Amino acid sequence: NAGVTQTPKFQVLKTGQSMTLQCAQDMNHEYMSWYRQDPGMGLRLIHYSVGAGITDQGEVPNGYNVSRSTTEDFPLRLLSAAPSQTSVYFCASSKRNAATSPYGYTFGSGTRLTVV
Amino acid sequence: AQTVTQSQPEMSVQEAETVTLSCTYDTSESNYYLFWYKQPPSRQMILVIRQEAYKQQNATENRFSVNFQKAAKSFSLKISDSQLGDTAMYFCALYNTNAGKSTFGDGTTLTVKP
Repeated sequence: NAGVTQTPKFQVLKTGQSMTLQCAQDMNHEYMSWYRQDPGMGLRLIHYSVGAGITDQGEVPNGYNVSRSTTEDFPLRLLSAAPSQTSVYFCASSKRNAATSPYGYTFGSGTRLTVV
Repeated sequence: AQTVTQSQPEMSVQEAETVTLSCTYDTSESNYYLFWYKQPPSRQMILVIRQEAYKQQNATENRFSVNFQKAAKSFSLKISDSQLGDTAMYFCALYNTNAGKSTFGDGTTLTVKP
């Protein structure tokens, strides 16, 4: 099925470890974003990309890196995991104008990350 | 910078009744869209309804409708004939067309009671 695929769905890391959250979409969407959702809160933008080779910082970029070498993939790298990064991470994609696509943003199913 | 505020952390409604969720926003952009998303316990984000800022007519999708007051920067969601399946967290979001990114509110947890 077409959509946004995030892997893994669950992950436990030790403080200081690094890892990459994968995000892939097969809808030829130009825009991709990473959000984190903390308990009882909304989604906060970490990084986003408006096309291959172009990335920019969102509200909470510290401790995370991204790259966009292809239209399809937008991995999120945690450089040195900290307990404050315990959260649920969502990847989202959209056409150039999300407002006119049928579903707005298309979200992945999320990655629940725990840093101990 | 753009902000989205949802002032009701939790709400409840009886099945078949009507409920209104509030959202206010702030932006300096003239070209933007507003969304309501639903997040059930499954965690999946589902688009409920959208509103183009340049349109005065309020959007409607079946039992869901919005009251868009552009001057007041208010965008409330009305759910009519509430159903048990409407139980979820609802997020208001402001989409900046020029920047290609969205800002979300902190959400309102809605419980529909039988």
